[in-house]
Amino acid sequence: DAGITQSPRHKVTETGTPVTLRCHQTENHRYMYWYRQDPGHGLRLIHYSYGVKDTDKGEVSDGYSVSRSKTEDFLLTLESATSSQTSVYFCATGTGGFEQYFGPGTRLTVT
Amino acid sequence: ELKVEQNPLFLSMQEGKNYTIYCNYSTTSDRLYWYRQDPGKSLESLFVLLSNGAVKQEGRLMASLDTKARLSTLHITAAVHDLSATYFCAVDIKGGADGLTFGKGTHLIIQP
Repeated sequence: DAGITQSPRHKVTETGTPVTLRCHQTENHRYMYWYRQDPGHGLRLIHYSYGVKDTDKGEVSDGYSVSRSKTEDFLLTLESATSSQTSVYFCATGTGGFEQYFGPGTRLTVT
Repeated sequence: ELKVEQNPLFLSMQEGKNYTIYCNYSTTSDRLYWYRQDPGKSLESLFVLLSNGAVKQEGRLMASLDTKARLSTLHITAAVHDLSATYFCAVDIKGGADGLTFGKGTHLIIQP
């Protein structure tokens, strides 16, 4: 593992509430990513970061925002959670070339 | 828009048999990745293929890349139960810096 932790690991929340997921890495990797995994869809990129305060949108960014104030932390926020955002969320890090390293995942249920 | 298609999406096979998983992608790319995922777990990197004709092997798994055909294969030789998992291929366009595009995954069950 590339020293990636995610918190919380499991969360149940109600529709309309804000939710923030945290990804923390100890590898000093420049690039960080948030993906969501849903049955039948594989993994889809939500947002990514190429440095502190530098972020960009991925394929499925609607309803999500991110922030990166430190190299080691990348936060994913659902401003107002919806049932369609029930998913497993994976954080990944990388050096910008070659492979990405994935965290353990956060299972989010929106009721 | 980059599309990555895997087939089959589900495969049940017996121990000792050989089989191949296919990964097609729609846009020119020189990099292809294979990951393994066990139920409820994260993704484990298996292979990184970086050029046309690249072939990598690890145990009973062998992956290859044909960038001209936009095709990668993951070949399983003499399957064993421990290889049961979901396998994903993924492709990047810009060196991976702006994320990977994944196939939907192949759910592989190997029965004794």
